[in-house]
Amino acid sequence: DIVLTQSPALAVSLGQKTTMSCKTSQNVDNFGKSYIHWYQQKSGEQPKLLIYFASNLASQVPARFSGSGSERDFTLTINPVEADDVATYYCQQGWEFPLTFGSGTKLEIK
Amino acid sequence: EIQLQESGPGLVKPSQSLSLTCSVTGYTITSGFHWSWIRKFPGNKMEWMGYITYSGSTNYNPSLKSRISITRDTSKNQFFLQLNSVTTEDTATYYCARLEDYTYYFDYWGQGVMVTVSS
Repeated sequence: DIVLTQSPALAVSLGQKTTMSCKTSQNVDNFGKSYIHWYQQKSGEQPKLLIYFASNLASQVPARFSGSGSERDFTLTINPVEADDVATYYCQQGWEFPLTFGSGTKLEIK
Repeated sequence: EIQLQESGPGLVKPSQSLSLTCSVTGYTITSGFHWSWIRKFPGNKMEWMGYITYSGSTNYNPSLKSRISITRDTSKNQFFLQLNSVTTEDTATYYCARLEDYTYYFDYWGQGVMVTVSS
């Protein structure tokens, strides 16, 4: 199975930029697309798709969110961070089955 | 608007079967996509369990293959999860979600149902 590694938590001040990483145990690129997707999960809610194919913003997601990366190294950026962004962020690979998720990065406000 | 809603018992005894229903509104499950079950364990680990396609084919996580079954009732626009021989390690929040074919991301999720396995 493909293992996705995320840092467990980070704290950032309101209005600042933050980045969080997702590293995969194998290359998840194919024909110019990276099969990495990002989700936001707020406490008590279901996950919400933020970014697909590493850098494409999902519908109705604010432009403060962006994604980048390729092969085995991916980043989710929030700039600027707002209070509403407090959540856990998961990456997920869609390259091969079984589909797998990272362990999540919990974002807190300083 | 597409909506998914899980339902089922919140408490299951060890060695019994866990059965959940996902009711879909706003989209007909036979029209396309893969219809998945995902669970989130205490401590936040998430696991994709399996899916049933719009045509009725299934694909399961090998870690569960001997215990899991996903079926559907097209007349009610519902799909179902059955997990057999549960243990306390199956305690989790269970989500149903729509999975995009080829891209393999989950674009719509249910609110989730918490299931505790305990005697």
